[in-house]
Amino acid sequence: LAKTTQPVSMDSYEGQEVNITCSHNNIATNDYITWYQQFPSQGPRFIIQGYKTKVTNEVASLFIPADRKSSTLSLPRVSLSDTAVYYCLVLRYGQNFVFGPGTRLSVLP
Amino acid sequence: NAGVTQTPKFQVLKTGQSMTLQCAQDMNHEYMSWYRQDPGMGLRLIHYSVGAGITDQGEVPNGYNVSRSTTEDFPLRLLSAAPSQTSVYFCASSYQGQGEGAFFGQGTRLTVV
Repeated sequence: LAKTTQPVSMDSYEGQEVNITCSHNNIATNDYITWYQQFPSQGPRFIIQGYKTKVTNEVASLFIPADRKSSTLSLPRVSLSDTAVYYCLVLRYGQNFVFGPGTRLSVLP
Repeated sequence: NAGVTQTPKFQVLKTGQSMTLQCAQDMNHEYMSWYRQDPGMGLRLIHYSVGAGITDQGEVPNGYNVSRSTTEDFPLRLLSAAPSQTSVYFCASSYQGQGEGAFFGQGTRLTVV
């Protein structure tokens, strides 16, 4: 599976838009890009998944350029409760999840 | 629906003791897996199962056993606990393995002294 690289940590203020970019240079044709969120003392929670272009749901948007070598998770107007670790995963049907260290987002008042 | 339920939430073991971490899901998912998460780290796959009666090893299987006699349950056994197994353990399930959203339990915090 393609290795992913994302920032170790990010800081933001309440009400701002946060964009977390993930690099996955070796992504294959059949791979999907998936993002998970993990709060302290909880299991990861699925946020969003996409293959190409843009995907939006009630929580976030996911932007994937045409070459699919990177993706950007966008969180609109973050609040203190969005403080968490965000994981970018490249998934292939039938393959296991591989979690990296993720991006630790701290939202400040 | 309860989703993925793990028990116990906390456990302290002495070195050499054995125990079973329980995991149950009520979503009729085929795929279940166990991860461990050490402080400040991502999750590492221990064992997984693609259906009842089928299990396989993940990235860090040593010291752990699993079985999958039913679709709903996927217990993780520590054979002889060691301090290096102090960690938080998460169970997850999903419909078709990957490419679909996985649901995680709340975790079991295990300390081996």
